[in-house]
Amino acid sequence: ETGVTQTPRHLVMGMTNKKSLKCEQHLGHNAMYWYKQSAKKPLELMFVYNFKEQTENNSVPSRFSPECPNSSHLFLHLHTLQPEDSALYLCASSQAGGGATDTQYFGPGTRLTVL
Amino acid sequence: ELKVEQNPLFLSMQEGKNYTIYCNYSTTSDRLYWYRQDPGKSLESLFVLLSNGAVKQEGRLMASLDTKARLSTLHITAAVHDLSATYFCAVDYNQGGKLIFGQGTELSVKP
Repeated sequence: ETGVTQTPRHLVMGMTNKKSLKCEQHLGHNAMYWYKQSAKKPLELMFVYNFKEQTENNSVPSRFSPECPNSSHLFLHLHTLQPEDSALYLCASSQAGGGATDTQYFGPGTRLTVL
Repeated sequence: ELKVEQNPLFLSMQEGKNYTIYCNYSTTSDRLYWYRQDPGKSLESLFVLLSNGAVKQEGRLMASLDTKARLSTLHITAAVHDLSATYFCAVDYNQGGKLIFGQGTELSVKP
């Protein structure tokens, strides 16, 4: 595997379900990010982790719970979601949060549908 | 609050023509990124612009940054169909990796 991978690629869940999204980066980076991309809206940053520590929570509802066990893996735990949470969830990684030439590399995304 | 606005949001152009996409942002920043997204795919990094007056070129695309005007442009030269995609600019809000994205410009290049 190379780059940033995400699983599953598609997920359909009911509002009472609990599920998790997984992201893995194979680039040796130290920072990882979750973004939400809804139809007709800009990408929204959700969470930032630097060296496994959360450094940004962009006022995300508590029904989204991130976990970063190490610099290569990032999870997004989902519970009691709402239909408006349906979106493409993108994971990204970078060399270090805020470096001068820091570029974020994105995974393919998980297309989430909440019924 | 930092706002990033792109225009146009939709652009239909003929092959061989030139055009420019504009990205305006509302607060001081000297880091700006351009990404490309194909339908159903993830974002691909195109350019990183790190200082006032920075210009980068790759193939038919050229990006520039004017930090005083808080404006970046993405210029397309002699467009080809393969450039059809959505283009996003993003500004690093606090130089800490917090990217604020524009709405995206959906580009369609027709023969």
